[in-house]
Amino acid sequence: EAGVAQSPRYKIIEKRQSVAFWCNPISGHATLYWYQQILGQGPKLLIQFQNNGVVDDSQLPKDRFSAERLKGVDSTLKIQPAKLEDSAVYLCASSPVTSGTFDSPLHFGNGTRLTVT
Amino acid sequence: AQSVAQPEDQVNVAEGNPLTVKCTYSVSGNPYLFWYVQYPNRGLQFLLKYITGDNLVKGSYGFEAEFNKSQTSFHLKKPSALVSDSALYFCAVRDLADRGSTLGRLYFGRGTQLTVWP
Repeated sequence: EAGVAQSPRYKIIEKRQSVAFWCNPISGHATLYWYQQILGQGPKLLIQFQNNGVVDDSQLPKDRFSAERLKGVDSTLKIQPAKLEDSAVYLCASSPVTSGTFDSPLHFGNGTRLTVT
Repeated sequence: AQSVAQPEDQVNVAEGNPLTVKCTYSVSGNPYLFWYVQYPNRGLQFLLKYITGDNLVKGSYGFEAEFNKSQTSFHLKKPSALVSDSALYFCAVRDLADRGSTLGRLYFGRGTQLTVWP
């Protein structure tokens, strides 16, 4: 099966600019996640979708970050305006897990490395 | 609060020797435990999981992990390390006591860099 696709792989922007990341999950996976991985730290959940509905966005900085998953397939994550501390790798993951079943592992894309200067 | 601790930032081992990467966790309820590996410039790849049953679970690439409820640990092990095992390893936990929006949330440790030298 094809894996989780993310683009772009790398992005360099100046602070206060905006940026968008795209993710295409594994076909048929109901749940999609966006994680932020800062250098030297483990991945931190930003937002979780189940189909096209938001399940958990409690750790998403909503004043600057937004995400959508139209039609329950592809997803985009946007930052506007970016800050220096947003420099990180943004990982998208998907899982076939549905409500009540949490033993399925996550399948991760290769991530987008964002550098804010 | 849920948390995962990987007490070693770095583990170095000679090829052919056994390796252990340590993980301890803190949850309110029963845990689902996972190990992931990350190679440079790649996403995380699933290695193995503990859900229930035998405390020793086997996974990909010859790795195994031992669940110890009394010590709240889930250490990753391999009997004979390979140079190709060199990578960043993450332990993660789901807390089955979670409710509401955090139900099913996966909490990751900081990661342990494993280096296997020839």
